[in-house]
Amino acid sequence: GQQLNQSPQSMFIQEGEDVSMNCTSSSIFNTWLWYKQDPGEGPVLLIALYKAGELTSNGRLTAQFGITRKDSFLNISASIPSDVGIYFCALNSGGSNYKLTFGKGTLLTVNP
Amino acid sequence: DGGITQSPKYLFRKEGQNVTLSCEQNLNHDAMYWYRQDPGQGLRLIYYSQIVNDFQKGDIAEGYSVSREKKESFPLTVTSAQKNPTAFYLCASSIGLAVPPGNEQFFGPGTRLTVL
Repeated sequence: GQQLNQSPQSMFIQEGEDVSMNCTSSSIFNTWLWYKQDPGEGPVLLIALYKAGELTSNGRLTAQFGITRKDSFLNISASIPSDVGIYFCALNSGGSNYKLTFGKGTLLTVNP
Repeated sequence: DGGITQSPKYLFRKEGQNVTLSCEQNLNHDAMYWYRQDPGQGLRLIYYSQIVNDFQKGDIAEGYSVSREKKESFPLTVTSAQKNPTAFYLCASSIGLAVPPGNEQFFGPGTRLTVL
């Protein structure tokens, strides 16, 4: 079956530092989504990527869809305490396939 | 405000009891989903519905049941057949299936179910 690896599992950083996390898959996907989940809440969509090589920014967040369509990274610049949470990547193969496959998440802790 | 609501936020039940979790959306989305989240795990799909009066099993449907009588509502029943029901349950919706890029799913705030 499809395998989706998200790394790192957790990160502990100081406020102001930049952060990078990534996801790799064993199969080709047509859509990469990045979500953030605050403790005890539902995930919120941060960035959606639809084309290989696409680079998209949302404020301090930047994400890229890998050329091979098997990987993606999410960068957070100048981290702040409210960046704390779990970041998930999610994949969809497109077309009539409804399913999103989720990574296991990266837990980010920001020390003020 | 448009969005997805789930109630209650916290739910406690005794072992052997069925319990129903509510999910309502006013986004006019056709598709709705239920996920289960366990600590340190990604989200696992329980059931999904493309349209009213239709629903399909996801990856871990055993011990769960759903209905979709209205476009806005997609309740999930956790039955006594579910062996390990304690978890965080998330409902989501999307514009519709097979409508790229409309596959983005938007989530409710979740219900934490604890079975004693």
